[in-house]
Parts: sequence; structure tokens; C-alpha cells
Amino acid sequence: DVKVTQSSRYLVKRTGEKVFLECVQDMDHENMFWYRQDPGLGLRLIYFSYDVKMKEKGDIPEGYSVSREKKERFSLILESASTNQTSMYLCASSLLTGDNQPQHFGDGTRLSIL
Amino acid sequence: AQKVTQAQTEISVVEKEDVTLDCVYETRDTTYYLFWYKQPPSGELVFLIRRNSFDEQNEISGRYSWNFQKSTSSFNFTITASQVVDSAVYFCALRNNAGKSTFGDGTTLTVKP
Repeated sequence: DVKVTQSSRYLVKRTGEKVFLECVQDMDHENMFWYRQDPGLGLRLIYFSYDVKMKEKGDIPEGYSVSREKKERFSLILESASTNQTSMYLCASSLLTGDNQPQHFGDGTRLSIL
Repeated sequence: AQKVTQAQTEISVVEKEDVTLDCVYETRDTTYYLFWYKQPPSGELVFLIRRNSFDEQNEISGRYSWNFQKSTSSFNFTITASQVVDSAVYFCALRNNAGKSTFGDGTTLTVKP
């Protein structure tokens, strides 16, 4: 089974801090994704990556950046955390671009910015 | 831009009833992929079903079935003989050929015993 592991289940940080959310997948998937999930808004795509060192902006990239130095790891960075970035963050991976392969999700990181 | 609309915010049924979750999408792409995911109370999203834009054949898989109609841009999902364990949030998602995915806002299904 595919395993997508997010480094923290819960995280509390302060406004202005630089925050790193880590995600690792163990199935050699090319694609990796970061979403945030807020009540009533579904999942919104922040960034995705289809290869090492490659990244594409999603629908809400402002205030975020990403890093993919190795195929299995995709990091989401909040450069200067703000309270409106309090949310559930979900990482996902999938095999190949342009194919009908489903995404496999991690358990999520519930991030609170105080 | 692509968009997915799940008009039903919440649905409540009694066990053993059939329930259909609606999904309408918008895209300018000719090739795209549609998915349904389930998010139980535990939180992890789980893939359920998928359909390619060039394949309108509808199928049944156990208690799940789906109705893909390109003419109306709809991809509805039906659970037959619902069970309490089906209670979850269900998301419809659209992916284009470049890998970008868009999810609907989700439908919360409650199945009462």
C-alpha cells in the first residue's frame, strides 16, 4: 500500500514564524501535492510538483512556497505565518501526470497560528 | 479555469436507502479525469472511483455506481443500500492533463441506523 506520511499531526506556531510542513511518500510517485482544507471550502490546491525541483502554483499559492529536492519528499513552507493560515494541510501523491491515477493522501497536519 | 460544484452540502438517509451524490464540473480541456474520494471522521481521504473524459461507460462496483454524462458535465455517485459506515464527507475532483486537481466543497453524508 502507498504510504504518505506527514511529519506532524498537530502543530502550533506563532505569527511571523517560518513554518515547515514535511511530507514523504514511499511509492516512487512522480506527482506530489499540497492542499489546505477549511470548513465549507473543500480542498484547495496550494502547490504541486511533477518532478524533483519542479513546482507549479495551484489556486492559492500566496504566502506559501515549496521545496522538492528528492522525489519522495515535498515540503510546504510558510515564509511568515499569519493567523489566516490556520488550517488543515493535506499532502498527496500520485503516479504520473496526465493519467487517471488517483491521489493518495496523508493524515493531514492541523496547523494553528497564534 | 476548472471548477467542481457539489450542490448538496449535507445529506441524511436511513440505513439501506440508496443515496446519490451530485457533482457538476467545468473545464475547457478535452481530456480530463474525474474522481470521487471519501473522508471518514478519522480524516484520511480515500480514493473510491474514477472516470476518464473519453470513457462515458457507467459502471457498478459493489454498492457503488456512477453516472458520467459529458453532455451535462455531471459525474454523480450512488451508494446502494447505504450503511452507517458510509457516513463521511465525499469529494468529487477533476484533474486536467497537466496534473492540476480541483476538488468540490464536499458533501457530508450521514447514514442513520
